[in-house]
Amino acid sequence: TQLLEQSPQFLSIQEGENLTVYCNSSSVFSSLQWYRQEPGEGPVLLVTVVTGGEVKKLKRLTFQFGDARKDSSLHITAAQPGDTGLYLCAGVRTSGSRLTFGEGTQLTVNP
Amino acid sequence: DTAVSQTPKYLVTQMGNDKSIKCEQNLGHDTMYWYKQDSKKFLKIMFSYNNKELIINETVPNRFSPKSPDKAHLNLHINSLELGDSAVYFCASSQNVNSPLHFGNGTRLTVT
Repeated sequence: TQLLEQSPQFLSIQEGENLTVYCNSSSVFSSLQWYRQEPGEGPVLLVTVVTGGEVKKLKRLTFQFGDARKDSSLHITAAQPGDTGLYLCAGVRTSGSRLTFGEGTQLTVNP
Repeated sequence: DTAVSQTPKYLVTQMGNDKSIKCEQNLGHDTMYWYKQDSKKFLKIMFSYNNKELIINETVPNRFSPKSPDKAHLNLHINSLELGDSAVYFCASSQNVNSPLHFGNGTRLTVT
């Protein structure tokens, strides 16, 4: 059982559609990070959320941290082919000291 | 200008060989890591060093040995390579233990 479960695992959509990726856990996190990884490259940090209920926006990407700090979501509006990649959430538990990654969501945006 | 650089990018070798992967960061970070990404894209931590001191050592075979000659470098040596070692290995660094990670571009290891 993964500490952080991401859904869906795979998502293939058309350009212009909206989508939401979820990152869920039964544990409480002091912070959650979202990364995007493109083929042949390492993951790149998109955002860090630290406060329950926090919402952060990065152009067409909206990140939300759950009120209880057990889950997070990433919403993309009007997806573009350049959004294609592996989206990873990662968190540090309040009871732990190391960063744990979710399994990732592979997003493909078709032109 | 590369923040975290690792070499080589591709490594193809036969079972039983010994190989090393090198990593360097120019961000002035205190903490460095080695992650393994399997074919299902799951990222699993292997080792972490903070100021040249080993702080995380996950359940990794003894054939894997990290070495940090200084704060900016963390190398990974693998003895007696096995087929199951085939994966992409990522080096990363962070300002401190819980800070966001800066990853290198990975080393794709293929053991034949």
